[in-house]
Amino acid sequence: AQKVTQAQTEISVVEKEDVTLDCVYETRDTTYYLFWYKQPPSGELVFLIRRNSFDEQNEISGRYSWNFQKSTSSFNFTITASQVVDSAVYFCALSEAGLNRDDKIIFGKGTRLHILP
Amino acid sequence: EAQVTQNPRYLITVTGKKLTVTCSQNMNHEYMSWYRQDPGLGLRQIYYSMNVEVTDKGDVPEGYKVSRKEKRNFPLILESPSPNQTSLYFCASSLGGVNTEAFFGQGTRLTVV
Repeated sequence: AQKVTQAQTEISVVEKEDVTLDCVYETRDTTYYLFWYKQPPSGELVFLIRRNSFDEQNEISGRYSWNFQKSTSSFNFTITASQVVDSAVYFCALSEAGLNRDDKIIFGKGTRLHILP
Repeated sequence: EAQVTQNPRYLITVTGKKLTVTCSQNMNHEYMSWYRQDPGLGLRQIYYSMNVEVTDKGDVPEGYKVSRKEKRNFPLILESPSPNQTSLYFCASSLGGVNTEAFFGQGTRLTVV
């Protein structure tokens, strides 16, 4: 069965510091997708990134970057030069895409990130 | 504006009184799903639908029902709510199924007393 672990429940850093949010996943499928979503204090859920299991290239989008490593089953998210607006709960998620998939998505429990001014 | 709309945003009800939370999307998405968010448990999928008249259980379906009679609507029904269903509920839709970007509604905070 699929599983997503976000071991960091809560992180606090001072503004301008870099911070990495960890995500470790488990799946028996060879074809799958990984996601990150952001939930700011206002409560809505916002899509950040999707990565498929065949694409291990790291991705950078402004101050955000993602490091996908199949060897360690990890899909970590780094914020460089953090800002107060980055304060949010961040969720990592996994969906399987193989022939025997069940069309479900599993979210991690989330990491609450506090950026202190 | 492309969006997923849930109603109501807040609801307080009593144990056993049937309720429906509506969800509507205007993006012609095929895949829709419901989640509940609880402290320390993250988001858990309740039910999902691949298309009209096609629904299936997620990880926590007990105590909930859904229907998908039209592509745009995916209501969540609690036939006999109990206090353990007090939670924050999100509806979401996506164009290409569970493996594509999901668009979430604003959330419904439900309290069952």
